[in-house]
Amino acid sequence: ETGVTQTPRHLVMGMTNKKSLKCEQHLGHNAMYWYKQSAKKPLELMFVYSLEERVENNSVPSRFSPECPNSSHLFLHLHTLQPEDSALYLCASSQDRDRETQYFGPGTRLLVL
Amino acid sequence: AQSVTQPDIHITVSEGASLELRCNYSYGATPYLFWYVQSPGQGLQLLLKYFSGDTLVQGIKGFEAEFKRSQSSFNLRKPSVHWSDAAEYFCAVARWTGTASKLTFGTGTRLQVTL
Repeated sequence: ETGVTQTPRHLVMGMTNKKSLKCEQHLGHNAMYWYKQSAKKPLELMFVYSLEERVENNSVPSRFSPECPNSSHLFLHLHTLQPEDSALYLCASSQDRDRETQYFGPGTRLLVL
Repeated sequence: AQSVTQPDIHITVSEGASLELRCNYSYGATPYLFWYVQSPGQGLQLLLKYFSGDTLVQGIKGFEAEFKRSQSSFNLRKPSVHWSDAAEYFCAVARWTGTASKLTFGTGTRLQVTL
């Protein structure tokens, strides 16, 4: 595997389910990001981890819970989501220095019923 | 606060025609600017970036972009579009917070290519 991978690619869940999204980067980076992409809205930054420490949390509801066990893996735990949470969730990584580019995974398409 | 405006939601061009996608940014300091492309059902792929130096930057797939500070613009161009260029294009500006790089994206421009 190369670059940034995300699993699953598609997920359908009910509002009472608990599920997790997984992101893995194979680039040796030490910063990882979760973004939400909804139709007709700009990409929204949700969380940023730098050296496995959360450094940004952009007013995301607590039903989204991130976890970064090491610099290569990032999870987004989902619990009691709402239909408006249906979106494409994108993971990205970068080397945690100034002027470093973020590289994106293919995303997980989430549908909440 | 930084912001990015992509005034064209949807553009249609004929294959072989030239292309220019507009991007205007708002940022107090020297911006770090990016163009990404997203094909349907896929993540974002980096086309090119500008940090400093030459204001005309070359990217992948034959794309280029020109940074114009006086106009706060970073427009993307391609001299001859191919049908495979049909996708959504996002302009973004980055800010280093001291602990992480924070990207702000425009709303995107969807490019349709007619044969």
